Amino acid sequence: QVQLVESGGGVVQPGRSLRLSCAASGFTFSNTGMHWVRQAPGKGLEWLAIISYDGGYKYYADSVKGRFTLSRDNSKNTLYLEMNNPRAEDTAIYFCATQLRVAGIDYWGQGTLVTVSS
Amino acid sequence: DVVMTQTPLSLPVTPGEPASISCRSSQSLLDSGDGKTYLDWYLQKPGQSPQLLIYTLSNRASGVPDRFSGSGSGTDFTLKISRVEADDVGVYYCMQRMEFPFTFGPGTKVDIK
Repeated sequence: QVQLVESGGGVVQPGRSLRLSCAASGFTFSNTGMHWVRQAPGKGLEWLAIISYDGGYKYYADSVKGRFTLSRDNSKNTLYLEMNNPRAEDTAIYFCATQLRVAGIDYWGQGTLVTVSS
Repeated sequence: DVVMTQTPLSLPVTPGEPASISCRSSQSLLDSGDGKTYLDWYLQKPGQSPQLLIYTLSNRASGVPDRFSGSGSGTDFTLKISRVEADDVGVYYCMQRMEFPFTFGPGTKVDIK
């Protein structure tokens, strides 16, 4: 079955770096675009970014553009989100997700919590 | 960016009764090229990840009961639950996929009266 498992969350100091990972299984990862969506504590969903199946196309929301970097390793079926210079407002649960069977984001991971604090 | 709004933000419901959530976008989500309206609905149950309910305006995702329906056009959209069940509680979000960045509405919290 399709599984998306995020990892790498934790406490990070403002201005430092953190890399999130999303391990994918149960589908052909190398054929599939991937998303990151986040949710600040007690808040709504915020779409962050998308990367194409081969990594050749990326789009970032303004809130993370220039600070966060998407990448993927199709040989490892893994998606990454490098968080550089994080701010307190980046504190959130980070979900990786994909549009696989139908239009719309139909598979989501369980999320990984990132807390930006000194 | 496309701004999404939802009303109401809180919706107490009675099991067995119908419920309706409205969503509005700041610009049309109709792609005149293919005739599709790029509006989805998601439900996030307490403590869970979001799940897709409705995609491209009115298509139910796999496993979604036919009690759920999506409708609307252009900039105004509605999610209807014909008969609410206790398991339907959570926060409902609309999201536009017409253009990047995708954007979500603020969410409508549905709970049982």
